[in-house]
Amino acid sequence: DGGITQSPKYLFRKEGQNVTLSCEQNLNHDAMYWYRQDPGQGLRLIYYSQIVNDFQKGDIAEGYSVSREKKESFPLTVTSAQKNPTAFYLCASTHSRDSPLHFGNGTRLTVT
Amino acid sequence: QKEVEQDPGPLSVPEGAIVSLNCTYSNSAFQYFMWYRQYSRKGPELLMYTYSSGNKEDGRFTAQVDKSSKYISLFIRDSQPSDSATYLCAMSGTDSWGKLQFGAGTQVVVTP
Repeated sequence: DGGITQSPKYLFRKEGQNVTLSCEQNLNHDAMYWYRQDPGQGLRLIYYSQIVNDFQKGDIAEGYSVSREKKESFPLTVTSAQKNPTAFYLCASTHSRDSPLHFGNGTRLTVT
Repeated sequence: QKEVEQDPGPLSVPEGAIVSLNCTYSNSAFQYFMWYRQYSRKGPELLMYTYSSGNKEDGRFTAQVDKSSKYISLFIRDSQPSDSATYLCAMSGTDSWGKLQFGAGTQVVVTP
C-alpha cells in the first residue's frame, strides 16, 4: 500500500536534547512537508521541500532543521533552540503544485 | 486576525442529522479549498478538494465555495457516529505547492 509513514508514533525527550522525527513516503511524490499541530490551532508549516537536496522555510522554521537527501525521505530535527517543542508533528506530501496534501499519522513529541 | 476562521465547536448532532460546517477567510487570492477529517491521534484525511467557486458532491458529503463572500461550507448528510471527528478546512492560492492555510478545526460529535 502506498502511503506516508511517520515514526515513532510517540516520542519523549528531555529539554536540551535534539530529536529527529522520521518521515518516509512511497507515493513517488516530489514535494514533502512538515506541519505542527497544537490544541485549538490550525496546522502550521515548518519546512517544505519540492525537490531532492532543496528545501525552504515555512512560517515557523525557527528551532527546526530538515534534510532531503532522498526523494522518499524528509526527516525533521527538533533542536534544543525550539522554545516550545511539545506538539503533534505531521508529515505530508503531494505530487504537483496544485494537488492536495496527503498526510501521515503523525508523531506526538513530548519534551519535559 | 487569522487568515482562516473556523468555529472550534464542539458541534453535537443526533445520528441521521445533517452536519453543517463552515470557514471564513480573508485572502482573496485563495483558489483551492479543502476539507480534511481528523480522528483523535491520527493524521488528517482528505475529504473534499475544490477549485474556485461552486459545489462539489461526493456521497454523503457536499462542499460549497462562495468566493464573493469568502465563505466555504461542508455538509454531511445522514450523519453516523463514525463521522465523529475534527474537521479541518484548508485553502491555498495558485502555485501553492502545498503551503496551506488551515482553520483551527471543528470537533463534531454524532450521538447514536
